[in-house]
Amino acid sequence: QSVLTQPPSASGTPGQRVTISCSGSNSNIGTNPINWYQKLPGTAPKLLIYTNSQRPSGVPDRFSGSKSGTSASLAISGLQSEDEADYYCATWDDSLRGVVFGGGTKLTVL
Amino acid sequence: EVQLLESGGGVVQPGESLKLSCAASGFDFPNYAMIWVRQAPGKGLEWVSTISGGGGNIWYAGPVKGRFTVSRDNSKNTVHLQMNNLRDGDTAIYYCAKGDITAAASRFDHWGQGALVSVSS
Repeated sequence: QSVLTQPPSASGTPGQRVTISCSGSNSNIGTNPINWYQKLPGTAPKLLIYTNSQRPSGVPDRFSGSKSGTSASLAISGLQSEDEADYYCATWDDSLRGVVFGGGTKLTVL
Repeated sequence: EVQLLESGGGVVQPGESLKLSCAASGFDFPNYAMIWVRQAPGKGLEWVSTISGGGGNIWYAGPVKGRFTVSRDNSKNTVHLQMNNLRDGDTAIYYCAKGDITAAASRFDHWGQGALVSVSS
């Protein structure tokens, strides 16, 4: 059971907009910035969104993030087949004194 | 260009030890926290440990506390993960990642390719 709760799966057709939620508590998302990672099979995780809504250089602006209270979400617009991957949210937890990841959401592009 | 290269993975029996290393280049190593994250087969990402830039602050995930020890050598731009009393549940790909100047954080902007650790009798 992960400290951060994500839906196990999400799906959409090419061109659609999908959102992935991440729910936590006051000791983690409520207090600290959230980051999102994209994980393709056989490759290392990639930082997709940092500090709630910032995109690293090279990440398309189709990817956006937001945070409100103890929840956060990742939105992907103009869905493409190459977006099919696992997505993880992560943040620091002040009570656990460590990093917590969500359980991951497997995105399927239909 | 930031590069992280893990080494030291392998196959061991339960109760044995293994030491992973991660050689870093392309950034001011002593200024940044370094992190170990693992992914067990068919499972999600799991944070293992964080060590601050100077090495004075270290945190471990509950399942590895007391068995794993993280350390760094800033003169060699290398971070290590000593894993003792390994269990079946430690089987995973272990990634090292570059953290932030603020160690108690979860922004990991560069990752190594991963080292496979397999614990099996």
